[in-house]
Amino acid sequence: DTEVTQTPKHLVMGMTNKKSLKCEQHMGHRAMYWYKQKAKKPPELMFVYSYEKLSINESVPSRFSPECPNSSLLNLHLHALQPEDSALYLCASSQDPLLLNEKLFFGSGTQLSVL
Amino acid sequence: QKEVEQDPGPLSVPEGAIVSLNCTYSNSAFQYFMWYRQYSRKGPELLMYTYSSGNKEDGRFTAQVDKSSKYISLFIRDSQPSDSATYLCAMSGDRGSTLGRLYFGRGTQLTVWP
Repeated sequence: DTEVTQTPKHLVMGMTNKKSLKCEQHMGHRAMYWYKQKAKKPPELMFVYSYEKLSINESVPSRFSPECPNSSLLNLHLHALQPEDSALYLCASSQDPLLLNEKLFFGSGTQLSVL
Repeated sequence: QKEVEQDPGPLSVPEGAIVSLNCTYSNSAFQYFMWYRQYSRKGPELLMYTYSSGNKEDGRFTAQVDKSSKYISLFIRDSQPSDSATYLCAMSGDRGSTLGRLYFGRGTQLTVWP
């Protein structure tokens, strides 16, 4: 089973709303990631959780707040987003982030529209 | 100069054609090379994974890596309409890079018409 499950698949929100994106994997992977992808662009790394600890923050605005409740779950809390934040948000996982030969497995993504 | 360069296309071929997709890169520290396939509004799916230079074949797909030229390729034989997608190259292995980080190309949009 190489499945990474993301919910919801689609989300429309206003700039004053608070919402959360959810991600789950049951492959026993110890690293989970959030990526942002704009149309016709490659995915851009936002956050990495390694062994349930936030390893990096790519200077992402504070209106994005990640949370890793346990090794299988990853959330992305959204608050006061801007229209330019509209994008496909991808969750990914990998077995061990300390290995250089990591294979990332992606979920299907959440298509977010901010009005 | 970007770390990974990939022609975005679009590339349009008839069914049954051989497709060649390519990426070049500048960081000689990269050791692991991947090709992802991404259908519209879906997440990338790992298609091929290779280490260092050489060829790897999986069904109709062949991945080639030439580290001396910093050039990687993906060949698709007997292309099918279901192969229509965006193909992203990605690479990793730079010990100085961010933990677990992949460096992606822009992606090449491929259409295979019946």
